[in-house]
Amino acid sequence: NAGVTQTPKFQVLKTGQSMTLQCAQDMNHNSMYWYRQDPGMGLRLIYYSASEGTTDKGEVPNGYNVSRLNKREFSLRLESAAPSQTSVYFCASSEILAFIETQYFGPGTRLLVL
Amino acid sequence: AQSVTQLGSHVSVSEGALVLLRCNYSSSVPPYLFWYVQYPNQGLQLLLKYTSAATLVKGINGFEAEFKKSETSFHLTKPSAHMSDAAEYFCAVTNNNDMRFGAGTRLTVKP
Repeated sequence: NAGVTQTPKFQVLKTGQSMTLQCAQDMNHNSMYWYRQDPGMGLRLIYYSASEGTTDKGEVPNGYNVSRLNKREFSLRLESAAPSQTSVYFCASSEILAFIETQYFGPGTRLLVL
Repeated sequence: AQSVTQLGSHVSVSEGALVLLRCNYSSSVPPYLFWYVQYPNQGLQLLLKYTSAATLVKGINGFEAEFKKSETSFHLTKPSAHMSDAAEYFCAVTNNNDMRFGAGTRLTVKP
């Protein structure tokens, strides 16, 4: 059981380049999330997907797009990277037991935009 | 909207001393509260969660947290710090796919 996996682990981009961050989970969870983590700001939600085929904006969606490819995979795309998108990106999936949602996180992708 | 505030971005304790990390929440509905730990260059790992079943919640690695509605608090404690506890700790509150995190508290443990 690998849990939540993310690729790549590190990436350097030039301003204006595009890239896709990949996330997969093998826990059969319905909901998946993308967060960014910046110093002193905790984690902020970019997009989430409550179930296969649905996606919704979070707190900071501008400059990003997502695709829920199937139940396992949820990708995050930067169409035209900007230095402000330099951050650590975390993917998470969640289970709901007795109406309580618990999120499980991947190891993160460190992105530097020059 | 719900939110959490962590008091103190850095906390330093000596090995063997009490650990107290503070978290206050704001929520218009009964909250579900969480503490996560993040070790360097790793993702977040769930420490414990409050689900209204009991106000004192025990988690992994000897940590526990007490939900106090009157104080809107969910402080994290550990009686005796260990060097391996050095990490960043995040408090979070959730309601229907909307999880909000605090800014984090970095715990340093001195020998």
